[in-house]
Amino acid sequence: NAGVTQTPKFRVLKTGQSMTLLCAQDMNHEYMYWYRQDPGMGLRLIHYSVGEGTTAKGEVPDGYNVSRLKKQNFLLGLESAAPSQTSVYFCASSPSSGGYTDTQYFGPGTRLTVL
Amino acid sequence: AQSVTQPDIHITVSEGASLELRCNYSYGATPYLFWYVQSPGQGLQLLLKYFSGDTLVQGIKGFEAEFKRSQSSFNLRKPSVHWSDAAEYFCAVGDTGGFKTIFGAGTRLFVKA
Repeated sequence: NAGVTQTPKFRVLKTGQSMTLLCAQDMNHEYMYWYRQDPGMGLRLIHYSVGEGTTAKGEVPDGYNVSRLKKQNFLLGLESAAPSQTSVYFCASSPSSGGYTDTQYFGPGTRLTVL
Repeated sequence: AQSVTQPDIHITVSEGASLELRCNYSYGATPYLFWYVQSPGQGLQLLLKYFSGDTLVQGIKGFEAEFKRSQSSFNLRKPSVHWSDAAEYFCAVGDTGGFKTIFGAGTRLFVKA
């Protein structure tokens, strides 16, 4: 049981490049989330999903897109990377009993640098 | 809208000393409250959570937190800190308007020998 895994762990992009971050969970959780973590700002929600095939915007969605084609995977895409997207990205998942009451299980993070 | 404030950006305590990390929330009804810990280079891990009932909740690693409605607080405590407790701690509240959890900015704990 691997829990929540994220690929890649580190990435350096040039401005304007695109990339996709992959999150996978093996706990059969319904809810999945993408956060970014910046110094002094805690975690801010980018997008989330309440089930396969559904996605919704969080607090800071601009510049990102997501897809949840399979229940176990949640992909975060950057179409045209900008230096302001330099951050540590965390994926999380939670069970189907109710999003805001659930414990969230976090992946180890992806450190992204945009030059 | 719900919000969470952690007034202390960082705290330094001596090993063996007691610890209290502050958290204040903004919410009208009984909130769903959480404390998470993030060790260096790791993702977040749940320490404890409060939904209802006894206002003193016990968590993992010897941590406890007390919910005080009158003060809109949910402070985290530990009687004796170990060097391995050095980490960043996040207080969070469940957003009952959606399916989300709102995190505070975090408090970084340093432990000195």
